Amino acid sequence: SAVISQKPSRDICQRGTSLTIQCQVDSQVTMMFWYRQQPGQSLTLIATANQGSEATYESGFVIDKFPISRPNLTFSTLTVSNMSPEDSSIYLCSTRTGTMNTEAFFGQGTRLTVV
Amino acid sequence: KNQVEQSPQSLIILEGKNCTLQCNYTVSPFSNLRWYKQDTGRGPVSLTIMTFSENTKSNGRYTATLDADTKQSSLHITASQLSDSASYICVVTRNSGNTPLVFGKGTRLSVIA
Repeated sequence: SAVISQKPSRDICQRGTSLTIQCQVDSQVTMMFWYRQQPGQSLTLIATANQGSEATYESGFVIDKFPISRPNLTFSTLTVSNMSPEDSSIYLCSTRTGTMNTEAFFGQGTRLTVV
Repeated sequence: KNQVEQSPQSLIILEGKNCTLQCNYTVSPFSNLRWYKQDTGRGPVSLTIMTFSENTKSNGRYTATLDADTKQSSLHITASQLSDSASYICVVTRNSGNTPLVFGKGTRLSVIA
């Protein structure tokens, strides 16, 4: 299993500013993922954070808007840049373990409100 | 298209009652299906995992079923408690190189006294 500590748990930000979300895993993991969860919607994968290389972004998400760092095998950050009210959402980091990496563990999420 | 559909969208039940949540999927190729519980303000936590060959699996008051032929799963909660109030998310894993996950939108369950 894996325990993920994510912070901040919530924040209210002014439009045009940026927020960096941090995730710390209690063990070394190969794969870390960042998701967005909008109200009433399913989790949407933003990107896969790779240690030692650029993050891999899903369609609709770009590095300039959501820069990601992965300096080592236990830590990652996601920055939401130049925020607008449309960025208000819950952001979750995740990792996977188990056979074929199919068991996902999640941080507690960051509830972001942009005003 | 790989999709996971859950029903109902929301549900309110009295404490002590049973309920069943549904999950239909069109994900292929199928690897496994998990039910997650997400409390408000928390990340999802795994309740059960179902592989292709499993029909039923229990975890305390939670019982999951899987019909791989009809691509349907259900999560049955017995003798509900107030602490069961949460969103329940069905997640199907594709059996491909990077094992991507396909998430349902969840069922919002409210258990009231």
